[in-house]
Amino acid sequence: DIQMTQSPSSLSASVGDRVTITCRASQSISGFLNWYRQKPGKAPNLLIYGASSLQSGVPSRFSGSGSGTDFTLTISSLQPEDFATYYCQQSYNTLLTFGGGTKVEIK
Amino acid sequence: QVQLQQWGAGLLKPSETLSLTCAVSGGSFSAYFWTWIRQPPGKGLEWIGEINHSGSTKNNPSLMSRVTMSVDTSKNQFSLKLNSVTAADTAVYYCARGLYGDYSGILDSWGQGILVTVSS
Repeated sequence: DIQMTQSPSSLSASVGDRVTITCRASQSISGFLNWYRQKPGKAPNLLIYGASSLQSGVPSRFSGSGSGTDFTLTISSLQPEDFATYYCQQSYNTLLTFGGGTKVEIK
Repeated sequence: QVQLQQWGAGLLKPSETLSLTCAVSGGSFSAYFWTWIRQPPGKGLEWIGEINHSGSTKNNPSLMSRVTMSVDTSKNQFSLKLNSVTAADTAVYYCARGLYGDYSGILDSWGQGILVTVSS
């Protein structure tokens, strides 16, 4: 299995802050990396696919970068609805695996 | 706009069989993989497996011997059965739509999730 490791596991930030979340794969996954946001009590929602492509309907304050083993999700200006948990997921291997999540909390 | 609506029993006893169904509306059923994901309370996401419209499946080896997936193309529905459940199978179970081809493994639409609790 490909292990996905996210950091940090949690962070505190304020509305308007720039936030960066990191995801590292246990082996190269090229650009097959996706990001999801999960609000409390809700299903995850696709934000970024293919490491850097913005899913239709997702605000442009979200961006992704990286390739190989190291990836980043950036929120340029945190909004109230962005206080949630974020997951990376690799789709390089048929056995899909997710990172452990990063919880973004209000400072 | 595709919608996934899922249902099934929410409380099971150990050794029973979990059974969930997900209905797809508002989109093509044959052009995607149909996926099951679970999330234990307070924990991360685990891929259970996927099935396409012709019934071809891929499963997580950690669960493979206990998992059965099926599809009913006449109703645009797909189902999950997990037998011999234990407390470790307590989780919110999600169905999701997975893309094909170059976008394989991308989960772009999700059901609402069902909490399944295993307790004696």
